[in-house]
Amino acid sequence: SQQGEEDPQALSIQEGENATMNCSYKTSINNLQWYRQNSGRGLVHLILIRSNEREKHSGRLRVTLDTSKKSSSLLITASRAADTASYFCATAVNQAGTALIFGKGTTLSVSS
Amino acid sequence: GAVVSQHPSRVICKSGTSVKIECRSLDFQATTMFWYRQFPKQSLMLMATSNEGSKATYEQGVEKDKFLINHASLTLSTLTVTSAHPEDSSFYICSARGPYHRGRGTGELFFGEGSRLTVL
Repeated sequence: SQQGEEDPQALSIQEGENATMNCSYKTSINNLQWYRQNSGRGLVHLILIRSNEREKHSGRLRVTLDTSKKSSSLLITASRAADTASYFCATAVNQAGTALIFGKGTTLSVSS
Repeated sequence: GAVVSQHPSRVICKSGTSVKIECRSLDFQATTMFWYRQFPKQSLMLMATSNEGSKATYEQGVEKDKFLINHASLTLSTLTVTSAHPEDSSFYICSARGPYHRGRGTGELFFGEGSRLTVL
């Protein structure tokens, strides 16, 4: 099963520009996480935001969470070619050990 | 940080054969592991939840007799794709839940590097 959608499905930008990806989900959540996946590789955990948080920063990453709209956004500032990857949001519906449910992902391409 | 290892990273097999994929938590005990499948250019789909010492819980639409999961120890879960067919070709990823952290609740999930199965 999947929680919802990422938007856009694909995004192409130039180095130095900002990239914004959105994620919507369907059920109430305990936390929402963003992951990156380079082609054919495993997942890299980027950031976790809890349901009682509205915004979180980590380096060039900024994540927002709007639980009333059941949506989250990931902003990557000053993008680099190395940021080219697929980005997935994943939700945990409770803290008790259930699996993460992933969105469909956004494929980001940053050209130099 | 915690590491989860998957083996093999790539496997090619003939149609009709069975393939076993291992998922190990290298420096922590994982009572719960999860198996995901990812088709090309798609997202990760949860297949099953594997609990140490008990039967796995499969997601709707996943055949438990085809995808055998064994979680015999706190550091190892295996996924066996039985009588593999070309449509089973996919990227299989496991994740393991790390130890409980006081103040943070249930441990975070750590993901393996994935195993790419190609069935000819």
